[in-house]
Amino acid sequence: EVQLVASGGGLVQPGGSLRLSCAASGFTVSGEYMTWVRQAPGKGLEWVSVIYSNGNTYFTDSVKGRFTISRDNSKNMVYLQMNSLRADDTAVYYCARNDYDFWNPGSWGQGLLVTVSS
Amino acid sequence: QSALTQPPSASGSPGQSVTISCTGTSSDVGGYNYVSWYQQHPGKAPKVMIYGVSKRPSGVPDRFSGSKSGNTASLTVSGLQAEDEGDYYCSSYAGSNNVVFGGGTKLTVL
Repeated sequence: EVQLVASGGGLVQPGGSLRLSCAASGFTVSGEYMTWVRQAPGKGLEWVSVIYSNGNTYFTDSVKGRFTISRDNSKNMVYLQMNSLRADDTAVYYCARNDYDFWNPGSWGQGLLVTVSS
Repeated sequence: QSALTQPPSASGSPGQSVTISCTGTSSDVGGYNYVSWYQQHPGKAPKVMIYGVSKRPSGVPDRFSGSKSGNTASLTVSGLQAEDEGDYYCSSYAGSNNVVFGGGTKLTVL
């Protein structure tokens, strides 16, 4: 059974950093395309980043240069390192596996609230 | 990339059918057959209902169907049930290793 369990959310001050972790089970992250999606309070879904099975990474324009995505194959985990955080990064962050096609999320984790505020 | 355009709300009575549209451009919806639809209940993670424009994952009722014409994709829910109420989002590959979501549609079962 595919399972994604995210951790690491919380309150951070503007300009601060936070690392989100996503523990996968039931499959191997190194062989998959893994995505992070976020949802600001009361708003819609926003695609944030993807890491391909070949290790290539891509980001939405608003986080380029501030966020990095990585994985640890030995731990079967995916990470989202978020630096220079801003108030508009406040959102619930979801990790997901692109099960059904290369691009769109399929199986989703439970979501983590990240609040950027002083 | 601009978000795909969805109506803010849709509604129908139990047993009726409702269709939700998702309009993009030739650079996203119209250019690729990589359109997915998600159902989200309050406080929960989204659940994929349709992928590849019209394919249903295992376990999704066949009351849910998807289609595409030009730059507009559509999700149809037939035989509406109370548990179908929630928010629905479309997503599409948008080229250049990017994905774009729709703004979401709140479906109300009257």
